[in-house]
Amino acid sequence: EIVLTQSPATLSLSPGETATLSCRASRSISTWLAWYQQKPGQAPRLLIYDASNTVTGIPPRFSGSGSGTDFTLTISSLEPEDFAVYYCQQRFNWPPFTFGQGTKLEIK
Amino acid sequence: QVQLVESGGGVVQFGGSLRLSCEASGFAFSDYGMHWVRQPPGKGLEWVSLIHSDSGNEYYRDSVEGRFTISRDNAKNTLYLQMDSLRPEDTAIYYCGKDRGGPIDYWGQGTLVTVSS
Repeated sequence: EIVLTQSPATLSLSPGETATLSCRASRSISTWLAWYQQKPGQAPRLLIYDASNTVTGIPPRFSGSGSGTDFTLTISSLEPEDFAVYYCQQRFNWPPFTFGQGTKLEIK
Repeated sequence: QVQLVESGGGVVQFGGSLRLSCEASGFAFSDYGMHWVRQPPGKGLEWVSLIHSDSGNEYYRDSVEGRFTISRDNAKNTLYLQMDSLRPEDTAIYYCGKDRGGPIDYWGQGTLVTVSS
C-alpha cells in the first residue's frame, strides 16, 4: 500500500499570503496524485488531478506540481474561504486508493 | 447539475448490518465508476470500495473485504453499500463519489454510520 505523508499538519497564515502544502509518497506514483479541499461539515471538493491539472471552476490561485514522490499544492494570495483541510490522494497503485492524513490551513 | 444523495445511515449494534444507498442525478450514471469513501468523526478520509460502470468489477479495502458489498442498479441510478458484521471501527460518515479515473470529482453530502459496542 502506498502511504502518503502530508506536511505540515497545520499551517497558520494570513489572508493574502501564499500557502505551500506538501504531500510525499512512500514510492514513486508518477503524476497520479489529486488534491481535495474540505471545509467543516462539508464533503471534500476535488481541486487538482494528475498532480497539476486544475478542475474547471477552481480559482487560478490554486496550483499543483510535482512528480515521483514529492508533490506541492500552492495557494497564492489566500482568500478567507481557502482556510480548510486539504488532502492528497494517489491512484497509481490500487486498491486501495490512499489519502494523506490532511493539512489544516488555519487563519493566523 | 450532478447530485449524489446518500441515505441509510444510523445507529447499529456490533455485528449488525446496514445498507447504504446513493441516488445519482445530473449525469449518465451507467457510464461511470462509483466509490464509497468514509471519514471517522474528526479524522481523515479512507477509501472503502469502487465499482466499475457495468458492475463487472468491484474493489475493496482489506479491512472491509468479505463484510461489505458494493453494488449498483443502473436503471435506478442508484449505488449501494451492504455492510455486514459491523464493528465500532466502521463508525464514520460514508460518502459516495463519482469516479474520474481514480480521483473523485463529485461527492454526496454523506451519511453517518455509528456502530455501538
